[in-house]
Amino acid sequence: AQSVTQLDSHVSVSEGTPVLLRCNYSSSYSPSLFWYVQHPNKGLQLLLKYTSAATLVKGINGFEAEFKKSETSFHLTKPSAHMSDAAEYFCVVSDRDGANNLFFGTGTRLTVIP
Amino acid sequence: DTGVSQDPRHKITKRGQNVTFRCDPISEHNRLYWYRQTLGQGPEFLTYFQNEAQLEKSRLLSDRFSAERPKGSFSTLEIQRTEQGDSAMYLCASSAGLAQTQYFGPGTRLLVL
Repeated sequence: AQSVTQLDSHVSVSEGTPVLLRCNYSSSYSPSLFWYVQHPNKGLQLLLKYTSAATLVKGINGFEAEFKKSETSFHLTKPSAHMSDAAEYFCVVSDRDGANNLFFGTGTRLTVIP
Repeated sequence: DTGVSQDPRHKITKRGQNVTFRCDPISEHNRLYWYRQTLGQGPEFLTYFQNEAQLEKSRLLSDRFSAERPKGSFSTLEIQRTEQGDSAMYLCASSAGLAQTQYFGPGTRLLVL
């Protein structure tokens, strides 16, 4: 079965400092992995996705993530946090069968301190 | 705005009542998904459609939950005899096909009193 574990429920960084949100996955095959962001009162937005091409994936708003098979990790990073990055972030793994269902982690709340 | 829309955005109901939510996917997206998100958790998959066919419904939470997509466009999710434990955000997503990006709507927040 597919699953993801987000290692931190809450991360707090100062504006302008790097962001690291950690995610480990479990999958019996080579997975598709995603990061979604959820701002208050807004829908989930796709940040980036990995689908077995390049292991370093660049997304929107300066975010990127690296797929590391040996560590079963897919951590999300950004060099410099902005106030507008404050939100809930979800690491997601996709089913590989016909449904293509998404399995979400429990989320990491990012706080950016001015 | 051509994104996924959901209606209503908020619903308050009394225990035992039936509720129905609507989702309008992005035009021409043939796949439509329903998820439930409870407080402090990530979204949980419920069911999905390809065009008008419901291809997975084993993860619907109970037989009180049902979904339809009669013409392969909008979809409805109905909860019968609501319980307080049904209080959650119900999310809809659509995609252009298998392995394509799922785009989410803003959700319908349900509160059962």
